Amino acid sequence: KQEVTQIPAALSVPEGENLVLNCSFTDSAIYNLQWFRQDPGKGLTSLLLIQSSQREQTSGRLNASLDKSSGRSTLYIAASQPGDSATYLCAVFNDYKLSFGAGTTVTVRA
Amino acid sequence: GAVVSQHPSWVICKSGTSVKIECRSLDFQATTMFWYRQFPKQSLMLMATSNEGSKATYEQGVEKDKFLINHASLTLSTLTVTSAHPEDSSFYICSASGTSGIEQYFGPGTRLTVT
Repeated sequence: KQEVTQIPAALSVPEGENLVLNCSFTDSAIYNLQWFRQDPGKGLTSLLLIQSSQREQTSGRLNASLDKSSGRSTLYIAASQPGDSATYLCAVFNDYKLSFGAGTTVTVRA
Repeated sequence: GAVVSQHPSWVICKSGTSVKIECRSLDFQATTMFWYRQFPKQSLMLMATSNEGSKATYEQGVEKDKFLINHASLTLSTLTVTSAHPEDSSFYICSASGTSGIEQYFGPGTRLTVT
């Protein structure tokens, strides 16, 4: 059974600092890995999707890397802003389904 | 593109009653739809996977007679929580994928409170 772990569970940084969020998974036979953002009481917003053959994906201030062999992914958010405050979820797709981590709750202080 | 809607966005019902949640893909045909449950401060847990016209496949520990899933068309799936109890109170989120099956598109979620 796939297990996804996200560290840290919570993170508080001053505005402008770079954010580093970590995700690890136990079964490296994944099809893809996705990072989502979830605001309180809301659904999921897809941020980045990395195919298993890719090493990284970038979108604006966001960059996600994938090391499938070691079962790890990292999400970098450059120059954080208060609007980046949310919970960030990592999910891996294998065995025809997504398995989610518990998330990292980020607070960016103005 | 790739928009998924859910209705209602929140619902309160009395213990013992049933409640139906709809999930619609608005601009694509969803060959597969997924239902997740999320308890406060926890991650999403997959409840079941449904393919259009087929019976849903439930994850281990999910009662199929309690959580009825119907995927009658390529744009609509419904989840009915039967004889709801307070412990069923949760945030229910659906997602849908098209023919490629590579990416899932998520609905905004439905907050269910059972009193």
